[in-house]
Amino acid sequence: EAGVAQSPRYKIIEKRQSVAFWCNPISGHATLYWYQQILGQGPKLLIQFQNNGVVDDSQLPKDRFSAERLKGVDSTLKIQPAKLEDSAVYLCASSPLSNTEAFFGQGTRLTVV
Amino acid sequence: GDSVTQMEGPVTLSEEAFLTINCTYTATGYPSLFWYVQYPGEGLQLLLKATKADDKGSNKGFEATYRKETTSFHLEKGSVQVSDSAVYFCALSLNSGYALNFGKGTSLLVTP
Repeated sequence: EAGVAQSPRYKIIEKRQSVAFWCNPISGHATLYWYQQILGQGPKLLIQFQNNGVVDDSQLPKDRFSAERLKGVDSTLKIQPAKLEDSAVYLCASSPLSNTEAFFGQGTRLTVV
Repeated sequence: GDSVTQMEGPVTLSEEAFLTINCTYTATGYPSLFWYVQYPGEGLQLLLKATKADDKGSNKGFEATYRKETTSFHLEKGSVQVSDSAVYFCALSLNSGYALNFGKGTSLLVTP
């Protein structure tokens, strides 16, 4: 079974630029998550989708971050404009509807300079 | 709010030593508890889980028991190997469909 796919793996941008990350979850998984993992910390939930609806985006900085899940499958996370403190690994995960176990992609490492 | 606290690292052990990584939680309900592992250069992987009190999760020689009375889910392994070197994350989820709430992670280095 194919895992969660993310791209790109690495991205370096200057502050105030914009950036987008892409995630393709495991086939059939209804729930998709985006987490932010700052160096030395545990992952922090940014947004959770169930199918193509948002379940929880309470920790998403909505002035600069946005996310969508097209047709309940792929998802994109965008940052515009980026700040230095956005440097982190952005993790995408997915899970079946009735299961708490989440399967993670390898992440996108963002460096903002 | 709901949260997980795990011991600070890094933890350095010799091969074949006994490992304990402490994890305690605070939750308003009855969460499911997890240990995830992140090997160098790889994504997070589920190591083990327990969904109710007194359940024991186990995998690859690692074990953790869900202790409701002490709100703990300590990770143990009787004899670590160099290949166990990784970062270990304790996490909780309140219920199906709820996101994971992670601790800060504990880095483990096992030396030959």
